[in-house]
Amino acid sequence: GAVVSQHPSWVICKSGTSVKIECRSLDFQATTMFWYRQFPKQSLMLMATSNEGSKATYEQGVEKDKFLINHASLTLSTLTVTSAHPEDSSFYICSASYGTGTEAFFGQGTRLTVV
Amino acid sequence: LAKTTQPISMDSYEGQEVNITCSHNNIATNDYITWYQQFPSQGPRFIIQGYKTKVTNEVASLFIPADRKSSTLSLPRVSLSDTAVYYCLVGGNTGGFKTIFGAGTRLFVKA
Repeated sequence: GAVVSQHPSWVICKSGTSVKIECRSLDFQATTMFWYRQFPKQSLMLMATSNEGSKATYEQGVEKDKFLINHASLTLSTLTVTSAHPEDSSFYICSASYGTGTEAFFGQGTRLTVV
Repeated sequence: LAKTTQPISMDSYEGQEVNITCSHNNIATNDYITWYQQFPSQGPRFIIQGYKTKVTNEVASLFIPADRKSSTLSLPRVSLSDTAVYYCLVGGNTGGFKTIFGAGTRLFVKA
């Protein structure tokens, strides 16, 4: 199946700093990617839809100025958590597909810890 | 997007067949039913997808009745490594459509 890779797998940062997470579709082109956040023992929560070459669409309650999403190419989307705080500590997951009519493939996730 | 309801948790023993049922009363005509598996600290992994009747692949079967208001994921002869959370999703085929996750079913397989 198609492979979606996230980098880094885990990151620890100081409060107030920014962290960038990359999501790459390794063997296919993805016009749309999705970003999720997952807290312990909870389900995945959709944060935003990332479309190549255009602005991301954020779900209600997600601060677009805090979670910057860039989808510069058909194989790369990035999520930048700006001015991170301990409450932003979570598991961030991206997904991508190679078109409608196919299933979504998920990255392995990135564990962010803000200290 | 149709809402789904699944049991919060299930227990099973190695070698048993496990059936997880998902209710989706408001499923739309063009909605697909997709199941994902998630292990701790990993992204979800696609298991199976169907539209109606029965779908089978190398890891699971998916049974969908004629009214499509529910579906059942069947895992034959589970092993300890099948302990995970299983999510039932309903919507436009997940590719290209935003995928909303419900609470999922936490399956615990015991020796």
